[in-house]
Amino acid sequence: QKEVEQNSGPLSVPEGAIASLNCTYSDRVSQSFFWYRQYSGKSPELIMSIYSNGDKEDGRFTAQLNKASQYVSLLIRDSQPSDSATYLCAVSGGYNKLIFGAGTRLAVHP
Amino acid sequence: DTGVSQNPRHKITKRGQNVTFRCDPISEHNRLYWYRQTLGQGPEFLTYFQNEAQLEKSRLLSDRFSAERPKGSFSTLEIQRTEQGDSAMYLCASSLLGTMFQETQYFGPGTRLLVL
Repeated sequence: QKEVEQNSGPLSVPEGAIASLNCTYSDRVSQSFFWYRQYSGKSPELIMSIYSNGDKEDGRFTAQLNKASQYVSLLIRDSQPSDSATYLCAVSGGYNKLIFGAGTRLAVHP
Repeated sequence: DTGVSQNPRHKITKRGQNVTFRCDPISEHNRLYWYRQTLGQGPEFLTYFQNEAQLEKSRLLSDRFSAERPKGSFSTLEIQRTEQGDSAMYLCASSLLGTMFQETQYFGPGTRLLVL
């Protein structure tokens, strides 16, 4: 079993819709959770971090964390074609390396 | 620009040659990480430093790989006797060790290595 799992996609959504990206992790002691966006050929760019159960909103992005279910999600409201990228979920035990999922490819079509 | 920088951005080498990559972290960040990413996969941890001390190395880091961070500033990653399987994007990230469990890593642009 992989430590961090994501659906590879592609997840295709129309412009203006809500995109929902999901991630599960296996290590119960994980403390820090991150979503990075990666455009083709580029390096990961931090979108959101979340540390406590519940929702955290930043502009069009909302991260949701449920430690009991070992589940993290990212919602993108009013999706734009510029949001088309691979979204990487990353998990850390705190003070340590990140464990990444393989990423979900998002395609927003006009 | 005050972000993480990496050089070179691209490197093509022949199998068996040695290569060295450099990473300059965000100023005053005390932690520096190296990751490797292959096509279709997420980044995989290689090693990390806190100041000049190398605190952890992944099993992925064979004895052909060595990393240094002299004086706790920039870091170098050297690969000796390169193999075609070393072809990947090598990513550097830095962070500032701060509030418990709230350490955020920022990535550099990466060095793309192609071994022929």
